[in-house]
Amino acid sequence: EVQLVESGGGLVQPGGSLRLSCAASGFTFSTYTMNWVRQAPGKGLEWISYISGSSTTIYYTDSVKGRFTISRDNAKNSLYLQMNSLRDEDTAVYYCARNREPAPNDHWGQGTLVTVSS
Amino acid sequence: DVVMTQSPDSLAVSLGERATIDCKSSQSVLYSSNNKNYLAWYQQKPGQPPRLLIYWASTRESGVPDRFSGSVSGTDFTLTISSLQAEDVAVYYCQQYYTIPHTFGQGTKLEIK
Repeated sequence: EVQLVESGGGLVQPGGSLRLSCAASGFTFSTYTMNWVRQAPGKGLEWISYISGSSTTIYYTDSVKGRFTISRDNAKNSLYLQMNSLRDEDTAVYYCARNREPAPNDHWGQGTLVTVSS
Repeated sequence: DVVMTQSPDSLAVSLGERATIDCKSSQSVLYSSNNKNYLAWYQQKPGQPPRLLIYWASTRESGVPDRFSGSVSGTDFTLTISSLQAEDVAVYYCQQYYTIPHTFGQGTKLEIK
């Protein structure tokens, strides 16, 4: 069974940093591309980042470019999102999601809540 | 960025009736090499992560009931639920995955009338 479990969320002050993790199991992690998608409270979905299986291709949405860094450790079956210079508007539930070519985001984690507030 | 615009924002349909949700992309999401539209539909129930329903605009994901279908006309996409069931109450999102950023529509809240 495919499982994605996010962790690392919490309360952080504006300007602070946080590192999210996504532990994957039930599939050969290294052969799948992955996404981070977030959802602000009561709002819609926002795609924020993509990473290929070998980490050679990485994309970000403009609002996080230069502040967030996506990475993965295939030996540990883990996906990460390093978030720096956090802003109030980064407050959201952060989901990791797997792409199964040709289907995007075919499995999602339960999400981890990041709250940016002073 | 490709802007995805869903309509309506909310919808109330009687049990057993048809529900249709529209999604319009600001530019083509058709990949010419395989003639596929890179458009997906998701269902999100309260307190849950989204669930993939449809990809390539009309291909149903494994395990999704066949009352869910997707169609396309140019840059206009439609999700149809042929006979609404109580468990279909949710927010539905379209997403284009043709070009970066992979933008979502704003969502359509579907309720029972």
